[in-house]
Amino acid sequence: GESVGLHLPTLSVQEGDNSIINCAYSNSASDYFIWYKQESGKGPQFIIDIRSNMDKRQGQRVTVLLNKTVKHLSLQIAATQPGDSAVYFCAENIHDYKLSFGAGTTVTVRA
Amino acid sequence: ETGVTQSPTHLIKTRGQQVTLRCSSQSGHNTVSWYQQALGQGPQFIFQYYREEENGRGNFPPRFSGLQFPNYSSELNVNALELDDSALYLCASGVGETQYFGPGTRLLVL
Repeated sequence: GESVGLHLPTLSVQEGDNSIINCAYSNSASDYFIWYKQESGKGPQFIIDIRSNMDKRQGQRVTVLLNKTVKHLSLQIAATQPGDSAVYFCAENIHDYKLSFGAGTTVTVRA
Repeated sequence: ETGVTQSPTHLIKTRGQQVTLRCSSQSGHNTVSWYQQALGQGPQFIFQYYREEENGRGNFPPRFSGLQFPNYSSELNVNALELDDSALYLCASGVGETQYFGPGTRLLVL
């Protein structure tokens, strides 16, 4: 079946370093992707999105890269801070804004 | 904050009971979707409502049903609760593709 998945379930990063979280998707027809951050006990928080006609988009301290050739998506966080510790999900718009999520990557920031 | 609220925050039910979860969206958000998130998993799409009509459904049985109201609130109803229904239930609303999530309702079925 078609799905969105993340390469690694956990990522440990030193405070101040850059983080890279990866995601692979299998639906080549997907045209919209979103990264969400979910802290313990909270709902997913929108971070950044990208459409399939783009290969890069930047936000505040975050950059999303899209490689449609290999169906790969990544989220880069610059100068990772303790507040960045959370579970990160990539999501794919499968049809009419219905989202398909991967299992998530847990990011832990070491002081 | 997303402007999306959910109630209650936590709920305990027993197997076979029925439950109603509520969501209040921002004014103007004409789409609301419900997701189920089991522990350690990503959210799974249950269904979506657009202008008070169901607009797509995921792989969930008919005992999961919903309503959307003109005042941008919505409900998720689950009948004949099963143990595996224990999860965090999230609603998401928006205009267009960007969906904003509420904090969720944690349901425990005993």
